[in-house]
Amino acid sequence: QKEVEQNSGPLSVPEGAIASLNCTYSDRGSQSFFWYRQYSGKSPELIMFIYSNGDKEDGRFTAQLNKASQYVSLLIRDSQPSDSATYLCVPGGANNLFFGTGTRLTVIP
Amino acid sequence: EAQVTQNPRYLITVTGKKLTVTCSQNMNHEYMSWYRQDPGLGLRQIYYSMNVEVTDKGDVPEGYKVSRKEKRNFPLILESPSPNQTSLYFCASSISTANQPQHFGDGTRLSIL
Repeated sequence: QKEVEQNSGPLSVPEGAIASLNCTYSDRGSQSFFWYRQYSGKSPELIMFIYSNGDKEDGRFTAQLNKASQYVSLLIRDSQPSDSATYLCVPGGANNLFFGTGTRLTVIP
Repeated sequence: EAQVTQNPRYLITVTGKKLTVTCSQNMNHEYMSWYRQDPGLGLRQIYYSMNVEVTDKGDVPEGYKVSRKEKRNFPLILESPSPNQTSLYFCASSISTANQPQHFGDGTRLSIL
């Protein structure tokens, strides 16, 4: 099964700072990655997905994929208290998905 | 509005009383799946379906059944619920495979006494 490792946190950053969320994976066959945000008791919502090596930017969010190092990251610029949530790094798969427990981010006002 | 709808949102019931949690999507998605989420364990996949009449076990299928008779519906059936199935359940769908963005329902909180 495709699995990932994420620091469970909590990761605390001050408001306005850059939050860096990291994820390593072991399956070199993983081709795509999805970042989901989940507020406590709510359903996960897709933030970004990335298929290619390099960076992908969408507003305040940048996803980075380095297949050689088997490393995925999500940068959140100008962090806001509303960004406080759990972030899940999920490798894409043909059939089933591994969500893991994610990284809990707290943005301090 | 494109959405995944789960019902009920909350249910408290007793051990052994059969229950069904419904899931319906209006996006003509082929892939649907069920997850449970427990504190400290993250989301774990119960069952998934690649298309009508095609279902397969996920990581924690014991005690659950599913069916996919129509493309839009993917009910989760607990034939004889037990307290260890108390959890938060999510249904999700995507266009065709697990390698695409998943759209989640709002969740169903089940308590089995």
